[in-house]
Amino acid sequence: GENVEQHPSTLSVQEGDSAVIKCTYSDSASNYFPWYKQELGKRPQLIIDIRSNVGEKKDQRIAVTLNKTAKHFSLHITETQPEDSAVYFCAASIGQAGTALIFGKGTTLSVSS
Amino acid sequence: GAVVSQHPSWVICKSGTSVKIECRSLDFQATTMFWYRQFPKQSLMLMATSNEGSKATYEQGVEKDKFLINHASLTLSTLTVTSAHPEDSSFYICSARGEQAVLVGQFFGPGTRLTVL
Repeated sequence: GENVEQHPSTLSVQEGDSAVIKCTYSDSASNYFPWYKQELGKRPQLIIDIRSNVGEKKDQRIAVTLNKTAKHFSLHITETQPEDSAVYFCAASIGQAGTALIFGKGTTLSVSS
Repeated sequence: GAVVSQHPSWVICKSGTSVKIECRSLDFQATTMFWYRQFPKQSLMLMATSNEGSKATYEQGVEKDKFLINHASLTLSTLTVTSAHPEDSSFYICSARGEQAVLVGQFFGPGTRLTVL
């Protein structure tokens, strides 16, 4: 089955710096790659996603890149702010009709002011 | 749109009792719902895929007789933790996928924190 690896597990940056989180997946059939932000005790919130027919997607300070050949995708956050501090999860979808998500282990991002 | 609710938001029970958690899609029909479990400081682990009108599909290592899933309607899926034990204490989160969704993200419920004493 699908396996998603995520690195780093923790990331500390200064406010205004950029943060990059990387994920790799194993199943070449995966075709949907969302990123979620989760604050303590709350549900995951979708922040950006990308599909396998696109190489890059950007939404204001957040961007995601996908390399299908290498089977890896990355989250880029520019001009980080303290409110960006949270746990970030990447995920990959398997199957066609069900779109079950397999999550990476998460990255705890800390942005200090 | 695409609101998913869960009930209860938290529950404390004694060891050996059963607990039912409800997941509802409030403004759309969900043919497929997913149940995840998240232990403290860990990732979300897929437990099972719940399809309306049919048996759930469980992930390897998840006991189907312990975690009973019923998806009786297009807006409701329930997860019953039978004979709960302290090791079942966790954050249970459901998500729903709408009938019209094609390769789009899932909509997550707010989660249910289960504590078994």
